[in-house]
Amino acid sequence: EVQLVESGGGLVQPGESLRLSCAASGFTFSDYWMSWVRQAPGKGLEWVANIKKDASEKYYVDSVKGRFTISRDNAKNSLYLQMNSLRAEDTAVYYCARILSGRGWYRFDPWGQGTLVTVSS
Amino acid sequence: QTVVTQEPSFSVSPGGTVTLTCGLSSGSVSTSNYPSWYQQTPGQAPRTLIDTTNTRSSGVPDRFSGSILGNKAALTITGAQADDESDYYCVLYVGSGIWVFGGGTKLTVL
Repeated sequence: EVQLVESGGGLVQPGESLRLSCAASGFTFSDYWMSWVRQAPGKGLEWVANIKKDASEKYYVDSVKGRFTISRDNAKNSLYLQMNSLRAEDTAVYYCARILSGRGWYRFDPWGQGTLVTVSS
Repeated sequence: QTVVTQEPSFSVSPGGTVTLTCGLSSGSVSTSNYPSWYQQTPGQAPRTLIDTTNTRSSGVPDRFSGSILGNKAALTITGAQADDESDYYCVLYVGSGIWVFGGGTKLTVL
């Protein structure tokens, strides 16, 4: 069974850092792009970052560029999101998702259960 | 700043058909935007429904279908059921490695 399990969320103060992890199982992790998507309380989904299979390409939403870093360890089947200089507006549930793709199509599939990050003083 | 637009809310009768749409502030949606659709109920993670080629994710019933209608991506639910009452999100590729989700449509089945 394909499974993604996020961890590392919690309550932090503005300006602090946090590192999220996503443990993958049930598929060959190194064969897929991976993604982080977040959802602020009561709001919609927001794409945060993507990373290529071999980590040679990384892309970010403008609001996190320079503060967040996506990375992966294919030997450990794990995806990470290092979040620095956290702001109140980063408060959200953070989901990791695998990116499936083929000729002319992409989809985020599946998703983990999410981990809550709260930034508050 | 590219905005992906969705109807904020929609209503459908049980057994009815509803089409939700997904547009781009900067122009028309095409297959090069690789639209895909997701369903989410409160407190749950998103569930993948369908992609650009109308391929459904595992376990998704065939009453969900995707298409490009005019200048928008569309998700059609045929024979709506009570448990289809959810939030629905589309996501589009807007170039340079960037993806943008729509604001979501809250679907009511009544």
